[in-house]
Amino acid sequence: DADVTQTPRNRITKTGKRIMLECSQTKGHDRMYWYRQDPGLGLQLIYYSFDVKDINKGEISDGYSVSRQAQAKFSLSLESAIPNQTALYFCATSDSELLDTQYFGPGTRLTVL
Amino acid sequence: DAKTTQPPSMDCAEGRAANLPCNHSTISGNEYVYWYRQIHSQGPQYIIHGLKNNETNEMASLIITEDRKSSTLILPHATLRDTAVYYCIVRVSNTGNQFYFGTGTSLTVIP
Repeated sequence: DADVTQTPRNRITKTGKRIMLECSQTKGHDRMYWYRQDPGLGLQLIYYSFDVKDINKGEISDGYSVSRQAQAKFSLSLESAIPNQTALYFCATSDSELLDTQYFGPGTRLTVL
Repeated sequence: DAKTTQPPSMDCAEGRAANLPCNHSTISGNEYVYWYRQIHSQGPQYIIHGLKNNETNEMASLIITEDRKSSTLILPHATLRDTAVYYCIVRVSNTGNQFYFGTGTSLTVIP
């Protein structure tokens, strides 16, 4: 969905580096999410935010942090990347007034060497 | 949120209807059934959702059994572009709880 953009789309980095993945949306939604997907598996929630001042941990938040800089922007940081954080990362948004249907960005493929 | 069970894979001939089943026997009265699909490594795409009545939109139809313990997503005329992993999710709407995507059903549309 072009209304949700993620940068970068691909990133290769080394163990121990700090990495930031960014997500922007033009849908005007209040809620934003970060998921990771490992090969052959479903998506796992890392963090989510219901509005600018609200941040919540998901099921696999260890090793990650987030920042909700504005309603439209939600960034995910890996403080010290490790190889098992190699995965596909998706940002999603939803509108609390519209049954919370989530709309996903195109994904960021992260490789940690 | 209730768990769901889906077959790991299915095939469907191009032009035929694809019927994807989902069991959610522990669904609660206030949980909706959502369907998403993911085309190879792209972001999941919302398809349809329902509570108890059957639903239809431009992409698909959702048939929910009367006891709500199972549902079927129907793609009426499958095309090659419908090849994807289809996820059935049950969730209380608007609570902000996460969507548990599971591993879904990998649908292959065969020419």
